[in-house]
Amino acid sequence: ETGVTQSPTHLIKTRGQQVTLRCSSQSGHNTVSWYQQALGQGPQFIFQYYREEENGRGNFPPRFSGLQFPNYSSELNVNALELDDSALYLCASSSGTSGKTQYFGPGTRLLVL
Amino acid sequence: QKEVEQDPGPLSVPEGAIVSLNCTYSNSAFQYFMWYRQYSRKGPELLMYTYSSGNKEDGRFTAQVDKSSKYISLFIRDSQPSDSATYLCAILHTNAGKSTFGDGTTLTVKP
Repeated sequence: ETGVTQSPTHLIKTRGQQVTLRCSSQSGHNTVSWYQQALGQGPQFIFQYYREEENGRGNFPPRFSGLQFPNYSSELNVNALELDDSALYLCASSSGTSGKTQYFGPGTRLLVL
Repeated sequence: QKEVEQDPGPLSVPEGAIVSLNCTYSNSAFQYFMWYRQYSRKGPELLMYTYSSGNKEDGRFTAQVDKSSKYISLFIRDSQPSDSATYLCAILHTNAGKSTFGDGTTLTVKP
């Protein structure tokens, strides 16, 4: 059984660019949630995908968007990058949408210059 | 005011000490209470969760919830250097599948 994996591990972009982050969920899990963790803060919920549909969204603007694929892997897309988007982006997979037992990947560290 | 407030730390204790980590929350609709451990440059790892007031024990770890005071705690007995990490409390709206996290407390256990 493989855990949650994310790619890339690190990324540097400039303001205004677009970025795509990828997440492979744990085997048997059909739900992926994305979080943003700024330095020194706890993760903040961006959105959740369940069976390829968005199933709940946090307080993030529409330039944060996502996809989930039939194999339950997922992408997070961020358009028009801003300096404040610099953070660790975490995905978490679970079986079902309750969020009680979700398993996090190692994250993608994004730096926007 | 944040929905979940966590004692900021950092905490530094000698090996073998009992550690107490604490959070308060404001929304009574929260239903599940979780504790995660996050090592440097890693994702959070779920330690335990509970949904009722009282204590839940798992090895050296005890989670305590007081819903009347909206207060949650994690106790670590016989702390080890390998427990050195950031500890995050998180509270869950099960209807939304959304976890709201505290900002974490960084613990260092010195040999």
